[in-house]
Amino acid sequence: GQQLNQSPQSMFIQEGEDVSMNCTSSSIFNTWLWYKQEPGEGPVLLIALYKAGELTSNGRLTAQFGITRKDSFLNISASIPSDVGIYFCAGRDSGGGADGLTFGKGTHLIIQP
Amino acid sequence: NAGVTQTPKFQVLKTGQSMTLQCAQDMNHNSMYWYRQDPGMGLRLIYYSASEGTTDKGEVPNGYNVSRLNKREFSLRLESAAPSQTSVYFCASSRDRLAETQYFGPGTRLLVL
Repeated sequence: GQQLNQSPQSMFIQEGEDVSMNCTSSSIFNTWLWYKQEPGEGPVLLIALYKAGELTSNGRLTAQFGITRKDSFLNISASIPSDVGIYFCAGRDSGGGADGLTFGKGTHLIIQP
Repeated sequence: NAGVTQTPKFQVLKTGQSMTLQCAQDMNHNSMYWYRQDPGMGLRLIYYSASEGTTDKGEVPNGYNVSRLNKREFSLRLESAAPSQTSVYFCASSRDRLAETQYFGPGTRLLVL
């Protein structure tokens, strides 16, 4: 099956710093999704990307669909304490359905005040 | 409007015991999903139901059965629990199988001794 490599595994940053994380795939995806999971909760969708090269923002979050369609990036600007959590990327292949989603292993974001 | 609810929140089982995890959604969604989440792993799809009356295997179905009881409810059954099934289980729903937004429940934490 498809492999998704998400990096870094964890990040320890100071409040106010910018954050970058990425996912790379062994195969082409038609959709890239970024989720956030807070402790004790289920994941929540942050951003969805549908086209190669697409750049989409949601507040301080910006995500990009890589030109090769095999990677995606998420940036968080001016981090704040409530950004703490696990960020997951997920890709959907040409099968289309949500049953075709492949998830990355997550990036743990820890913010030191 | 509760979204996706799961019961129980926590469960401890002995090897060989059976149990059913319950999931319900009140968003009139057609598609529902069961995932498991293990440390250092992304979410892995166990089973899904694209619409009422249908169920299909996901990536890791062995040891599980599901029932789409009606449009609202989708249960996951472990007939004979094994320590390898210790995990956090998430139920999710979406408008249909092509919808990119899946709404997740808060999870059930299962420990099998």
